[in-house]
Amino acid sequence: GQQVMQIPQYQHVQEGEDFTTYCNSSTTLSNIQWYKQRPGGHPVFLIQLVKSGEVKKQKRLTFQFGEAKKNSSLHITATQTTDVGTYFCAFSGGSTLGRLYFGRGTQLTVWP
Amino acid sequence: DAGVIQSPRHEVTEMGQEVTLRCKPISGHNSLFWYRQTMMRGLELLIYFNNNVPIDDSGMPEDRFSAKMPNASFSTLKIQPSEPRDSAVYFCASSSENNSPLHFGNGTRLTVT
Repeated sequence: GQQVMQIPQYQHVQEGEDFTTYCNSSTTLSNIQWYKQRPGGHPVFLIQLVKSGEVKKQKRLTFQFGEAKKNSSLHITATQTTDVGTYFCAFSGGSTLGRLYFGRGTQLTVWP
Repeated sequence: DAGVIQSPRHEVTEMGQEVTLRCKPISGHNSLFWYRQTMMRGLELLIYFNNNVPIDDSGMPEDRFSAKMPNASFSTLKIQPSEPRDSAVYFCASSSENNSPLHFGNGTRLTVT
């Protein structure tokens, strides 16, 4: 089946440092979505990437979709304590249209 | 927009008891998903409905789990009988169409003792 590896599993940074999480797939993805889950909360949609090589920005967050559509990254510039949470990539695939698979997530801790 | 509404928020029950989790999707959304989240296995898709019809239930762990969607505004996930290994946070999510973003409810934290 389709496999997506998300790394790292955990990341601890000092406030102000940058942070990046990566999702790597063994097969070509039709699209990729990113979600953030705060501690004790539920996943919240951040963005969707569809096109090869696509780059999207949301304030301090930069999202990229690889040229081969097999990998994606989320980069946060100058982290803040409000960035704490787990970041998930998610992708649709398999034989069932609409089914969304989630990566294992990267848990970000930001020290003040 | 009230968002996806799940109930109860917390459920503590004894092994062997029946548990029913409830979900009201966002009005107008035609896809509904049940996910289970644990530290060990992450976010697992249990079942997915489209226009009230179960499309993919391959993630349902075993026959003890069942899900229904009798109408566009209500879904249930039932576990009977429950076991301690079912302890997890269960999320319901809805979306307006295939590949569109999921809107998650606040989840139900289930503890089976």
